[in-house]
Amino acid sequence: AQSVTQPDIHITVSEGASLELRCNYSYGATPYLFWYVQSPGQGLQLLLKYFSGDTLVQGIKGFEAEFKRSQSSFNLRKPSVHWSDAAEYFCAVGALGGADGLTFGKGTHLIIQP
Amino acid sequence: ETGVTQSPTHLIKTRGQQVTLRCSSQSGHNTVSWYQQALGQGPQFIFQYYREEENGRGNFPPRFSGLQFPNYSSELNVNALELDDSALYLCASSLVGGGTDTQYFGPGTRLTVL
Repeated sequence: AQSVTQPDIHITVSEGASLELRCNYSYGATPYLFWYVQSPGQGLQLLLKYFSGDTLVQGIKGFEAEFKRSQSSFNLRKPSVHWSDAAEYFCAVGALGGADGLTFGKGTHLIIQP
Repeated sequence: ETGVTQSPTHLIKTRGQQVTLRCSSQSGHNTVSWYQQALGQGPQFIFQYYREEENGRGNFPPRFSGLQFPNYSSELNVNALELDDSALYLCASSLVGGGTDTQYFGPGTRLTVL
């Protein structure tokens, strides 16, 4: 069965510092990987996605993620965080055309210190 | 191009009642998926509709049912509400067969069961 693990429930980062959020997945076939962000009381906004090709993908708001098949990881990074980045971040895995939906991790809550 | 919309925004029901939640797909999309997000958790896949038929389902009982209409909008129906059904219900639309199947989420409906 597919699964996603986000080891860090909470992360606190100072404004202007770099950020890395961890994501490990378990999936039997070629994984399609996503990062979504959720502000309080809101829906999910897509940050970036990986289907194939270059393993370093760029997303919106200055985020990037790197797919490492050997480590079953898809970590999210940002070189310099802004106070507006404070939110809940979800990693998800799915299949192209798959009818089983996306499997999400439990999320990482990002806190930005001034 | 309009995004995914959901109605109502909030809903309060009592145990044993029935509820219907509505979702309008993003323009050009043909598939709708529904997710349940309990407080402090990641979204969990309920089911997916394609061409007006359910073509995938997560681990949810039959009292969770749905419809998809010719204009690709969708409804989620929950019968015999239980206290544990209190959650944020998210709808996501995508274009199956479009090469990426990326799911775009609506803002959600917050359901409270008393």
